[in-house]
Amino acid sequence: DTEVTQTPKHLVMGMTNKKSLKCEQHMGHRAMYWYKQKAKKPPELMFVYSYEKLSINESVPSRFSPECPNSSLLNLHLHALQPEDSALYLCASSREGFLDEQFFGPGTRLTVL
Amino acid sequence: AQTVTQSQPEMSVQEAETVTLSCTYDTSENNYYLFWYKQPPSRQMILVIRQEAYKQQNATENRFSVNFQKAAKSFSLKISDSQLGDTAMYFCAFMNLVTTSGTYKYIFGTGTRLKVLA
Repeated sequence: DTEVTQTPKHLVMGMTNKKSLKCEQHMGHRAMYWYKQKAKKPPELMFVYSYEKLSINESVPSRFSPECPNSSLLNLHLHALQPEDSALYLCASSREGFLDEQFFGPGTRLTVL
Repeated sequence: AQTVTQSQPEMSVQEAETVTLSCTYDTSENNYYLFWYKQPPSRQMILVIRQEAYKQQNATENRFSVNFQKAAKSFSLKISDSQLGDTAMYFCAFMNLVTTSGTYKYIFGTGTRLKVLA
């Protein structure tokens, strides 16, 4: 299995809602990443987990809360988002870390009303 | 601070022809890695090719090759025998270990939208 899966594919939420994005891989990768990609823009790194520990947080607002319950699963909990947070949220994984090839999921397209 | 610049927002090429996408970067670090990623329309982003800065030899992957000019801080991607499936957004990316903080920096360029014409 060489796939990174993300659910849901699309999410529409209000500014007062709480929702979660889910990412899963079964390649035995020990590094997992969250990126945010606005339309026609490059991905921006948000968080990196290495061996289930948060290793990089790129000054992301606290309304985004990552969680890595186990080595195969990565969540992004969303609360009190703003309309400008609407974007494609990409998850990726790699064998050990940045030096290894990252495998990307298809993304979750988030719309905040 | 590191920056990555892709000066060609859009390009097109005839099928079977060769096309070169440009990427320049700015860094004061000596050890770093460069990548080209491909993001097809509505499909997953995939790694096309990578280059370690300490290697002088240009990386090659089948029809994809790079021209890495370290002194000029240039990292262009050449696609030979272009195919319709090469139509995608191509991102150049830079990664290095920031020695002062012990963390990594991973930066993408703004992308080049490539269209292969039949």
